[in-house]
Amino acid sequence: DVKVTQSSRYLVKRTGEKVFLECVQDMDHENMFWYRQDPGLGLRLIYFSYDVKMKEKGDIPEGYSVSREKKERFSLILESASTNQTSMYLCASSPPGGAGNQPQHFGDGTRLSIL
Amino acid sequence: TQLLEQSPQFLSIQEGENLTVYCNSSSVFSSLQWYRQEPGEGPVLLVTVVTGGEVKKLKRLTFQFGDARKDSSLHITAAQPGDTGLYLCAGDTSGTYKYIFGTGTRLKVLA
Repeated sequence: DVKVTQSSRYLVKRTGEKVFLECVQDMDHENMFWYRQDPGLGLRLIYFSYDVKMKEKGDIPEGYSVSREKKERFSLILESASTNQTSMYLCASSPPGGAGNQPQHFGDGTRLSIL
Repeated sequence: TQLLEQSPQFLSIQEGENLTVYCNSSSVFSSLQWYRQEPGEGPVLLVTVVTGGEVKKLKRLTFQFGDARKDSSLHITAAQPGDTGLYLCAGDTSGTYKYIFGTGTRLKVLA
C-alpha cells in the first residue's frame, strides 16, 4: 500500500514564524501536492510538483513556498505565518501522467494553528 | 476559478435509508473522482469516472457521470453507519496534474 506520511498531526506556531510542513511518500510517485482544507471550501491546491526540483503554483500559493530536493519528500513552507493560515494541510502523491485515472494518495493531515 | 458545488452540504439519515449526493459544475471535466474522508484521516479514492454517462458500482454505492461531463452523482443504497464520512468529488478539466475539489458533503448515518 502507498504510504504518505506527514511529519506532524498537530502543530501550534506563532504569527510571523517560519513554518515547515514535511511530507514523505514511499511509492516512488512523480507527482506530489499540498492542499489546505477548510470547512465549506473543500480542498484547495496550494502547490504541486511533478518532478524533483519542479514546482507549479496551485490556486492559493500566496504566503507559501515549497521545496522538492528528493523525489520522496515535498515540503511546504509558510514564510511568515499568519492567523489566516490556520487550517488542515493535506499532502498527496500520485503516479506520473495526467490527472485522469490517477488516484491521489493522501496523508492524514497536519492541523496547524497560528496564534 | 472553476468550482465544483456539492449538495447537500450536510446529511443525517437513519440506517437503511437511501441517499444521493450531487456534484455540479459549469465546467467540463476530463474525468471525475469521488473520495471519502473519515475523521482524522486523509481522503481515500472510491472511484474514477471518465466517460459521459458512465455508471460505476461499488457494492452499495453507485456513481454516475453526467452525459455532458459537467456533473456527477453518488447514490448509496441502504446506508450503514460505516458510510459516515465526508464525501468529496474532484474533477480534472484538462488532463493536467491539477484536481479541482468540491465543497464536500458530510454524511452521518445513525444506527
